[in-house]
Amino acid sequence: DTGVSQDPRHKITKRGQNVTFRCDPISEHNRLYWYRQTLGQGPEFLTYFQNEAQLEKSRLLSDRFSAERPKGSFSTLEIQRTEQGDSAMYLCASRGSRGVTEAFFGQGTRLTVV
Amino acid sequence: DAKTTQPPSMDCAEGRAANLPCNHSTISGNEYVYWYRQIHSQGPQYIIHGLKNNETNEMASLIITEDRKSSTLILPHATLRDTAVYYCIDPSGSARQLTFGSGTQLTVLP
Repeated sequence: DTGVSQDPRHKITKRGQNVTFRCDPISEHNRLYWYRQTLGQGPEFLTYFQNEAQLEKSRLLSDRFSAERPKGSFSTLEIQRTEQGDSAMYLCASRGSRGVTEAFFGQGTRLTVV
Repeated sequence: DAKTTQPPSMDCAEGRAANLPCNHSTISGNEYVYWYRQIHSQGPQYIIHGLKNNETNEMASLIITEDRKSSTLILPHATLRDTAVYYCIDPSGSARQLTFGSGTQLTVLP
């Protein structure tokens, strides 16, 4: 257990439905990252928060994707009008701000769009 | 895009040292190299990071060449539980996000 929690662990949804995932980072970590991982590939960066501010977004983050981190604590990632190509593992990581620090990953949310 | 190069797969006998190489020839002078591993269906797990000196922790050792263009992760006594995909990472972007490549699939054989 790294201290980063993600919920749910698995989600099956029908194409066209909206889904929302939650990430609870390590409490003192002010940096939070979302990644997506498809089968056989390494995780791909989606977006980054420093406290409540979303400071960087990948071009992979289409307009159907939105992420929030209200109050700089937990974060949510919402996918609207899901497509089969959205099927993937969605990973969250958090990182402290002091010095050179490692990122800690959650166990991910496995999304299957049918 | 990932800025590191790793062999796609390696085998190692149980109890022997596993040496996983990585090329990171474009790494900047003040950037650390990070190593993570991912066991099937789990989130990536931090192993070790280093700048220019060799590093050791309870999991592994990291040897970085003097020119910092490559490094080797050493698992001194590999066990079956070390079977995983190992990623060598040169952080990039303003967020210093970890940019993962395809990694090396290490298989520890009994």
